[in-house]
Amino acid sequence: DGGITQSPKYLFRKEGQNVTLSCEQNLNHDAMYWYRQDPGQGLRLIYYSQIVNDFQKGDIAEGYSVSREKKESFPLTVTSAQKNPTAFYLCASSTGQGGNQETQYFGPGTRLLVL
Amino acid sequence: GESVGLHLPTLSVQEGDNSIINCAYSNSASDYFIWYKQESGKGPQFIIDIRSNMDKRQGQRVTVLLNKTVKHLSLQIAATQPGDSAVYFCAENIRASVAAGNKLTFGGGTRVLVKP
Repeated sequence: DGGITQSPKYLFRKEGQNVTLSCEQNLNHDAMYWYRQDPGQGLRLIYYSQIVNDFQKGDIAEGYSVSREKKESFPLTVTSAQKNPTAFYLCASSTGQGGNQETQYFGPGTRLLVL
Repeated sequence: GESVGLHLPTLSVQEGDNSIINCAYSNSASDYFIWYKQESGKGPQFIIDIRSNMDKRQGQRVTVLLNKTVKHLSLQIAATQPGDSAVYFCAENIRASVAAGNKLTFGGGTRVLVKP
């Protein structure tokens, strides 16, 4: 059963705490992405990675960090520096095979709430 | 800055009628566009895509039209069903650089409500 999985579905963060959101894919995709979605709004790019051990900042990277040690995994850490972390976080992947048509496929999302 | 946007935030449709969702884009360098459907509490689901060298593409009950002259994209859903109720996003593909790869820029979304 191929696809993108995200865990947990819901995550609660206390003040000053770092939390890590998991994203795994078994689609053999090279590229992976993290987006943030606020209520009633579109998706904003946080970080993306075209290949293992490499990643780039998106439009709203401040307060977040990522790693890409394995092709299948792209975890996102929401640090204490992110003052407004409450949002729906979406992970996506694409083949990353080049060209300029790259469909991204999304996971089910993680909803992060601040206690 | 350049962006992708939608004309209508909410669209109410009678079951069985056709739906048309519109999207304007302003980045002339974009050459690939995607429509996604997002149900409440779920991740976006790919519906259909279109390349800039095409004007029209059809899928199952859906058609995407691209007008590059006025930088306009639309999604048509035929015989709208209750299961079509969701938020629909258009996205444009912008190749940031050869090294940075491809990025998608999303519009704000249109909510489609299907009335029985």
